[in-house]
Amino acid sequence: GQNIDQPTEMTATEGAIVQINCTYQTSGFNGLFWYQQHAGEAPTFLSYNVLDGLEEKGRFSSFLSRSKGYSYLLLKELQMKDSASYLCAVRAPGTGTASKLTFGTGTRLQVTL
Amino acid sequence: SAVISQKPSRDICQRGTSLTIQCQVDSQVTMMFWYRQQPGQSLTLIATANQGSEATYESGFVIDKFPISRPNLTFSTLTVSNMSPEDSSIYLCSVVGITEAFFGQGTRLTVV
Repeated sequence: GQNIDQPTEMTATEGAIVQINCTYQTSGFNGLFWYQQHAGEAPTFLSYNVLDGLEEKGRFSSFLSRSKGYSYLLLKELQMKDSASYLCAVRAPGTGTASKLTFGTGTRLQVTL
Repeated sequence: SAVISQKPSRDICQRGTSLTIQCQVDSQVTMMFWYRQQPGQSLTLIATANQGSEATYESGFVIDKFPISRPNLTFSTLTVSNMSPEDSSIYLCSVVGITEAFFGQGTRLTVV
């Protein structure tokens, strides 16, 4: 089966750093995605990890440990506009467009002044 | 990259009726995916739409309730049949690239 867990809610202060964790137990693995979703909007792509290690992209970084079934999204210099839901998703084994994503439970982040 | 046009963006429907959601992709793709997002929840995969064959449904979803068409490699429809208030959700279509998954704008469905 597929089990992908995230904290339900997190609160952080503007300008701070926050780490959103994602743990997964899935039947097969072919990459992990992070998405941001503002209320009423479609998910927006943030990052993709398929190998162990840290991927950095501006204020956002994502880390993956395949042996531990663990990933995190790190958001630096938080801004009010970062208040959103953050979704991790694991891709099933497959090639190209033929592999589906299973989404985690999602984390609602509230950034406060 | 891929651009997906999804419509309608929202609708309010009477219970017992059906709604068909359309997605058009700007490139040919082997598979398209349909998700449901219930209020306050994450995305749940309904089915995978395969061109030239029947859709593959996830556990808990059946073809009679969510019939899918995939007439060519750039287009798919999802129908929500015999709707009840429990079907009120956002429905999203998606295609997956090598390093990114792309989504339509979503259809916000309210069943009254």
